[in-house]
Amino acid sequence: DAMVIQNPRYQVTQFGKPVTLSCSQTLNHNVMYWYQQKSSQAPKLLFHYYDKDFNNEADTPDNFQSRRPNTSFCFLDIRSPGLGDAAMYLCATSREVTSILAFRTDTQYFGPGTRLTVL
Amino acid sequence: SQKIEQNSEALNIQEGKTATLTCNYTNYSPAYLQWYRQDPGRGPVFLLLIRENEKEKRKERLKVTFDTTLKQSLFHITASQPADSATYLCALAERNYGGATNKLIFGTGTLLAVQP
Repeated sequence: DAMVIQNPRYQVTQFGKPVTLSCSQTLNHNVMYWYQQKSSQAPKLLFHYYDKDFNNEADTPDNFQSRRPNTSFCFLDIRSPGLGDAAMYLCATSREVTSILAFRTDTQYFGPGTRLTVL
Repeated sequence: SQKIEQNSEALNIQEGKTATLTCNYTNYSPAYLQWYRQDPGRGPVFLLLIRENEKEKRKERLKVTFDTTLKQSLFHITASQPADSATYLCALAERNYGGATNKLIFGTGTLLAVQP
């Protein structure tokens, strides 16, 4: 029944050592998102893919990159993790339907998250 | 500046009572607003969506209101149960030329604790 799957659930890395987090979905949704959430804070959008189109948020550090090789999978790469990058990373998906008259957005379905620890 | 504000203090209520959570926003023109539930160490789970032209939405014990004049949404849980204890996040999507953006802007959430 799992719809949005994130692996691993817990990731420990060393300062400066590249790390990749993965997300897969069985919903066939065309939009995938990556959020960063620190303790007691709001989820912060890093970037999203609309189909294959990559959309970066203006304040997302260059240290964060993403890949979406196909509809089902999306990866978050942190090239040189710093202590400040320790957080929960959430992947989400949505199905977007457009028409001539309106751009309707569906709800977002979140994965369980990956807790990243940087030593 | 743009802000979404939710009560930062935890809301403690007795089982069976109605919990009311508040979401206020400034300098946004939301096309719709959503409420999510988040349990510790888990991703948010969608609960309800309310559009700018809707005043109220209900789903079982949940009710959401949306007042675009006050720039406020209220989230109610009636007959609350200890299992309702969680953090509740509001999130809005801004209007754009096509209707709404596909990006959600989240509040920091309010922790609800329902005491048995």
